[in-house]
Amino acid sequence: QTVVTQEPSFSVSPGGTVTLTCGLSSGSVSTSYYPSWYQQTPGQAPRTLIYSTNTRSSGVPDRFSGSILGNKAALTITGAQADDESDYYCVLYMSSGIWVFGGGTKLTVL
Amino acid sequence: QVQLVESGGGVVQPGRSLRLSCAASGFTFSTYAMHWVRQAPGKGLEWVAVLSYDGNNKYYADSVKGRFTISRDNSKNTLYLQMNSLRAEDTAVYYCARAYSSGTYYYPTHWGQGTLVTVSS
Repeated sequence: QTVVTQEPSFSVSPGGTVTLTCGLSSGSVSTSYYPSWYQQTPGQAPRTLIYSTNTRSSGVPDRFSGSILGNKAALTITGAQADDESDYYCVLYMSSGIWVFGGGTKLTVL
Repeated sequence: QVQLVESGGGVVQPGRSLRLSCAASGFTFSTYAMHWVRQAPGKGLEWVAVLSYDGNNKYYADSVKGRFTISRDNSKNTLYLQMNSLRAEDTAVYYCARAYSSGTYYYPTHWGQGTLVTVSS
């Protein structure tokens, strides 16, 4: 079973830049996996940030961006704000037709 | 605007069944694939199943395959998740999510608020 890997936690200073990654236990992530990113705060439904590698969802500020960095998908937050403190999840499409979420990254802004 | 409202959650004993519904509005339901995603208490998101716009293609996570069935009624703009042989580890908030487009290879983009399923004796 393929595992999708994310950093369990990350810290960023207000105004700083942070890059979260989304990898595979075996192999490299490419655009063919349609990596997508979601933000979730406690008690709330997920919010779609980025889909299909680098397309921002409607209403998402342009300080959120998606890309492929090396063999992983990446979510970069530029100019981090206090309300960016959330859990971030990526999801990848497997050729078998299934989707797999990463374990999530808890981002702290301090 | 897109609205997804889940219902049908509750407390159920292990081994029993439950059917979740997701009522969709604000878009042409019959032209979009739909996902179910769940989140156990204090845990991360887990993808459960996806169904194509016409109901002909469906895929499941290994953890639910053979026990859960995803279906839809396009005349009622409603998505379903029939959950049989429930286990304690199925306890979670269940979200329905609309895909970007019609096929099962499209990512979730719009989310409901979720419904809680608790499996306990």
